[in-house]
Amino acid sequence: GAGVSQSPSNKVTEKGKDVELRCDPISGHTALYWYRQSLGQGLEFLIYFQGNSAPDKSGLPSDRFSAERTGGSVSTLKIQRTQQEDSAVYLCASSPGRFQETQYFGPGTRLLVL
Amino acid sequence: AQSVTQLDSQVPVFEEAPVELRCNYSSSVSVYLFWYVQYPNQGLQLLLKYLSGSTLVKGINGFEAEFNKSQTSFHLRKPSVHISDTAEYFCAVILTYGGSQGNLIFGKGTKLSVKP
Repeated sequence: GAGVSQSPSNKVTEKGKDVELRCDPISGHTALYWYRQSLGQGLEFLIYFQGNSAPDKSGLPSDRFSAERTGGSVSTLKIQRTQQEDSAVYLCASSPGRFQETQYFGPGTRLLVL
Repeated sequence: AQSVTQLDSQVPVFEEAPVELRCNYSSSVSVYLFWYVQYPNQGLQLLLKYLSGSTLVKGINGFEAEFNKSQTSFHLRKPSVHISDTAEYFCAVILTYGGSQGNLIFGKGTKLSVKP
């Protein structure tokens, strides 16, 4: 079956612009996660969704970052007024439930802020 | 405090040699432990996981890991590596405290480079 997909695969933007990153999880997976992968920082947790609710937003680095999920499926990560330090690979993962479950990762969106 | 530590950022090794990638985690009441692999230009995929039971866990591609509670370690091993094992390997942990479960926390990764 289809895995987790993300779009776009690459995004180049200018400092100060807003961007939207999309994640399509595996069908039926109720849990969805966003991570950021930066050079030297490893993988950082950003936000977790259970259904359409986000019980854990603790990893969002600033109020410029927001995310939503609709229909228990597609999720969008929005970054407003992008900064150069936002440049990273943004990874989405989904799992059938939460705890103990294997997370299935998408290929990521590579964001470059000039 | 760092929850997951991967001591080696890069490990070069020759083909058919054994390899061990080290991972230590912060002590907790209980943990769930994972190793993920990221091949060049690909997404992360699960190699293996420890939830409970036998402390020796076998994963895909001939990898295995052993949970050592006293040493708070979960080192990844393979007796004979192939060129195709060249990738970045991430140790990850879910910490639990008093029935409350945290997020999946990743180490900074170890880049395994297998040379002919």
